[in-house]
Amino acid sequence: LAKTTQPISMDSYEGQEVNITCSHNNIATNDYITWYQQFPSQGPRFIIQGYKTKVTNEVASLFIPADRKSSTLSLPRVSLSDTAVYYCLVGVPGNTPLVFGKGTRLSVIA
Amino acid sequence: DAGVIQSPRHEVTEMGQEVTLRCKPISGHNSLFWYRQTMMRGLELLIYFNNNVPIDDSGMPEDRFSAKMPNASFSTLKIQPSEPRDSAVYFCASRGQGLRSGANVLTFGAGSRLTVL
Repeated sequence: LAKTTQPISMDSYEGQEVNITCSHNNIATNDYITWYQQFPSQGPRFIIQGYKTKVTNEVASLFIPADRKSSTLSLPRVSLSDTAVYYCLVGVPGNTPLVFGKGTRLSVIA
Repeated sequence: DAGVIQSPRHEVTEMGQEVTLRCKPISGHNSLFWYRQTMMRGLELLIYFNNNVPIDDSGMPEDRFSAKMPNASFSTLKIQPSEPRDSAVYFCASRGQGLRSGANVLTFGAGSRLTVL
């Protein structure tokens, strides 16, 4: 399984764009990059998944450079409700167990 | 779809007692996962099933822990006997199949918070 490295924590003010970068230097050819969000007292929930270049949905954007050794989750104009832990996972969808690291604890300040 | 359903949501028990946690996965999902979350250790994968068959239980901490999946719509995680260090939130998650992006992500239940006194 590709190992991932993310910042332990980040702070942001409301209304700002937040970018969380994940390093995965030994990503394999068939691996996808998936991000989950976990609010206090809830289970993680899927945010976005991608293989290369850029993926965008109603929640976030995911930027993946050509070498795929890192990825950046971008949250536009965060609000207090975006305060959560964000996990980056790398693996072959449907083929490998999903191992969660420590994640990045995002605190949004008013 | 009601999502992944776990019960009980909270359980407080005394050391030595048997604890059984239950999970109903999303209908049609063929993989089921049990995770444990604590402040110190984060989210740990305990065991996962594919098509009701246990595939990897290397994360199960001790013989006191056991998990079963008798059919596609039900799974249990049992701790016998329980110990204070088992106190944690236990999450069940299920996953569908398919290789298209986003088709096979995990859907988690709300968790079962276990406190062993």
